[in-house]
Amino acid sequence: DIQMTQSPSSLSASVGDRVTITCRASQGISNYLAWYQQKPGKVPKLLIYGASTLQSGVPSRFSGTESGTDFTLTISSLQPEDVATYYCQKYNSAPRTFGQGTKVEIK
Amino acid sequence: EVQLVECGGGLVQPGRSLRLSCTASGFTFGDFAMSWVRQAPGKGLEWVGFIRSKAYGGTTEYAASVKGRFTISRDDSESIAYLQMNSLKTEDTAVYYCTRDTYGGIFDHWGQGTLVTVSS
Repeated sequence: DIQMTQSPSSLSASVGDRVTITCRASQGISNYLAWYQQKPGKVPKLLIYGASTLQSGVPSRFSGTESGTDFTLTISSLQPEDVATYYCQKYNSAPRTFGQGTKVEIK
Repeated sequence: EVQLVECGGGLVQPGRSLRLSCTASGFTFGDFAMSWVRQAPGKGLEWVGFIRSKAYGGTTEYAASVKGRFTISRDDSESIAYLQMNSLKTEDTAVYYCTRDTYGGIFDHWGQGTLVTVSS
């Protein structure tokens, strides 16, 4: 099975900082990669699919890129409401594996 | 508005069974695959399995950790997806989320989750 490895597992940044989270697939998955945001105590929410397509209603400070088997979620200017754990997920085939998550906090 | 409401969670002893339900509204249920995702306390998200729409055969796929013990089914006339969990283990303790599975595996809507606790 294809493994999804996220890094870092956690990070602390200041409001306004640019934040980058990486997800690496152990094999090629084309662009079948989604990102989810889970705020503390809340249900996960879809942010990005197709590696770079923003889900409707998601702020434009979120963006996604793809380079081979490496995928990146970027928050261009971190806001207090972005405190959450972020997960990548591959969906080219079953199993629809999630990364282990990246916890983002405000410094 | 798309809504997914899970029910059926609770405390169950190891080795016993439990069935979760997910009632959908706000979309044509029969046109979509449905997935179940779980989250153990303080842990990350784990995909459990999904069921395709009838147009794609209504077939199922499962994570290795639950294959042979869990079964997903659907009743399109009632807009309900089910997760039958047999031979439960303590490591199955988690919040179980029902999700709408679209574009071949994107989870664009989630239920609020139902907690399953497996303990003696």
